[in-house]
Amino acid sequence: DQQVKQNSPSLSVQEGRISILNCDYTNSMFDYFLWYKKYPAEGPTFLISISSIKDKNEDGRFTVFLNKSAKHLSLHIVPSQPGDSAVYFCAASVYSGGGADGLTFGKGTHLIIQP
Amino acid sequence: DAGITQSPRYKITETGRQVTLMCHQTWSHSYMFWYRQDLGHGLRLIYYSAAADITDKGEVPDGYVVSRSKTENFPLTLESATRSQTSVYFCASSWTAGGEAFFGQGTRLTVV
Repeated sequence: DQQVKQNSPSLSVQEGRISILNCDYTNSMFDYFLWYKKYPAEGPTFLISISSIKDKNEDGRFTVFLNKSAKHLSLHIVPSQPGDSAVYFCAASVYSGGGADGLTFGKGTHLIIQP
Repeated sequence: DAGITQSPRYKITETGRQVTLMCHQTWSHSYMFWYRQDLGHGLRLIYYSAAADITDKGEVPDGYVVSRSKTENFPLTLESATRSQTSVYFCASSWTAGGEAFFGQGTRLTVV
């Protein structure tokens, strides 16, 4: 049973436009959410995170929105740049409970930025 | 070099052989993790460790063994490799169990 779901395997966006990546979760105990970016032949790198006490967190071109009632979060990238082309993983944890099981990841969304 | 490093980067082994993937971190992070990445499955946790000599199973532990005699090292051993263990393996470390984790560059393992 998948606890973190990224239902779009791929997303194509024009350079300069907004990219919106979506993530849903089923475990109501999750209270910390992260986005990772992964280039081919490299390890995932941390991008941005949000705690369940917030509904928005911003870092430069990247903003993460959390809707706890819908168990949904999204990553917005504005404006999208060619270097943003990568696989994006959504991850979640039970941080306040010690995160005993570490991070639970979704299957990833391959973002393609077209010139 | 500071950071987290995995070795080897690429490995081909035969079915039934034992193989060990190495992971070393220089941050003195308490937590270390092993994930595998497979098409259609994303990243799945194999084992994790909260400190030296403390390890626990993750989502997909069968066929794997870990040890952590020193804080900085967390080797992953496949005792008798099977084709289903062909995957890309990532080691990660973190100060906390559920917070931001830093990943190594990965080991691509092929079992033939």
